[in-house]
Amino acid sequence: SQQGEEDPQALSIQEGENATMNCSYKTSINNLQWYRQNSGRGLVHLILIRSNEREKHSGRLRVTLDTSKKSSSLLITASRAADTASYFCAMTGGGSNYKLTFGKGTLLTVNP
Amino acid sequence: GAVVSQHPSRVICKSGTSVKIECRSLDFQATTMFWYRQFPKKSLMLMATSNEGSKATYEQGVEKDKFLINHASLTLSTLTVTSAHPEDSSFYICSAQTDEGGAGNQPQHFGDGTRLSIL
Repeated sequence: SQQGEEDPQALSIQEGENATMNCSYKTSINNLQWYRQNSGRGLVHLILIRSNEREKHSGRLRVTLDTSKKSSSLLITASRAADTASYFCAMTGGGSNYKLTFGKGTLLTVNP
Repeated sequence: GAVVSQHPSRVICKSGTSVKIECRSLDFQATTMFWYRQFPKKSLMLMATSNEGSKATYEQGVEKDKFLINHASLTLSTLTVTSAHPEDSSFYICSAQTDEGGAGNQPQHFGDGTRLSIL
């Protein structure tokens, strides 16, 4: 079944540094999305990138998608302590164009 | 925009109790709502998908009679955990989605989750 896998599982950086998180998946996708989850809270949608797109930006976030390698990356530039959260990739596809399958997430800690 | 409200945020109750969780889309019409379960430090596991006015579609391994889902309107879905037991303790999260422009290109908007603890 389709499931994303984030890498690394945990990442600890200093404020101001960039953070890069990767996501790999196994089957074809319709789109890939990145979400953030603060501890004990729901998920916040960050970016949706379609299968025919290669890169998208939103503020300090940059997402790339390489369908030939079945991988995506999320780059957070000039990180802040408030960026501390778990980040999940999720994708639609593999027979369903609306159900999301989530990866296990990357726990990002940004130290002040 | 795209705010989803989920209540209650936390429930602590005795074994055998039935618990109802509400999920409301406040500023948009949700064609589809989803219910997830999340274990500590784990990913989200989809339990069921519900469309307004029709029966929910449950994922494999999820008991329909245990987790009753009602999607009575385009802004409200409820999950009832019937006769809850300690093993049902978990973090339950709902999300809502509109199908404008095609559901496949719409993000899901999440509630803040419900922490359910069964004693």
